[in-house]
Amino acid sequence: DIQMTQSPSSLSASVGDRVTITCRASQNIYNYLNWYQQKLGTAPRLLIHSTSTLQTGVPSRFSGGGSETDFTLTISGLQPEDFATYFCQQTSSIPWTFGPGTKVE
Amino acid sequence: EVQLVESGGGLVQTGRSLRLSCVISGFNFDDHGMHWVRQTPEKGLEWVAGINWDGGSRDYTDSVKGRFTISRDNGKNSLYLQMNSLRVEDTALYYCVKDLHAGIYTMDVWGQGTTVIVSS
Repeated sequence: DIQMTQSPSSLSASVGDRVTITCRASQNIYNYLNWYQQKLGTAPRLLIHSTSTLQTGVPSRFSGGGSETDFTLTISGLQPEDFATYFCQQTSSIPWTFGPGTKVE
Repeated sequence: EVQLVESGGGLVQTGRSLRLSCVISGFNFDDHGMHWVRQTPEKGLEWVAGINWDGGSRDYTDSVKGRFTISRDNGKNSLYLQMNSLRVEDTALYYCVKDLHAGIYTMDVWGQGTTVIVSS
């Protein structure tokens, strides 16, 4: 199985900050990388798919990049509603696997 | 509005069976693949199974192969997960998830989940 790691596991930030989360795959996953946001007590929400394609309705302050094994999620100008946990997920090889999450607090 | 409503979770002993159901509304069910994903505090998010739009293609994570079966009834707008030979490690919150497309690649809308607790 492809292992996904994320760094940092948590970070402390303030409204207005630029935040970058890193996701690394154990092997080349091309651009088959998705990002999800999960707030406490709710289900995950798709933010970005295929590394950099913003899902409909997601604010443009979210952006994704990277390729092969190294990927990033950037929030440019953190808003109060962005405090949540963020997960990456690969869809290059079954079983699809998720990273352990990065909590933004 | 897209809605996915899971049911069928509960407390069950090891070795027993449960059947999860998910009723959907707000989109053309037979245009989309579907998934079951589970979550625990210890292991995080784990993709369990996926099924394409017409049920012709199904895949599973290794730990549930031979024990779980994903199925769908497009006429009833419903997704199912038959779980047999349950183990303690199957304890989790189970989400029904819609795929962005007809296949099983990108999970775009999630239900609120149903809890399965397997006790020894």
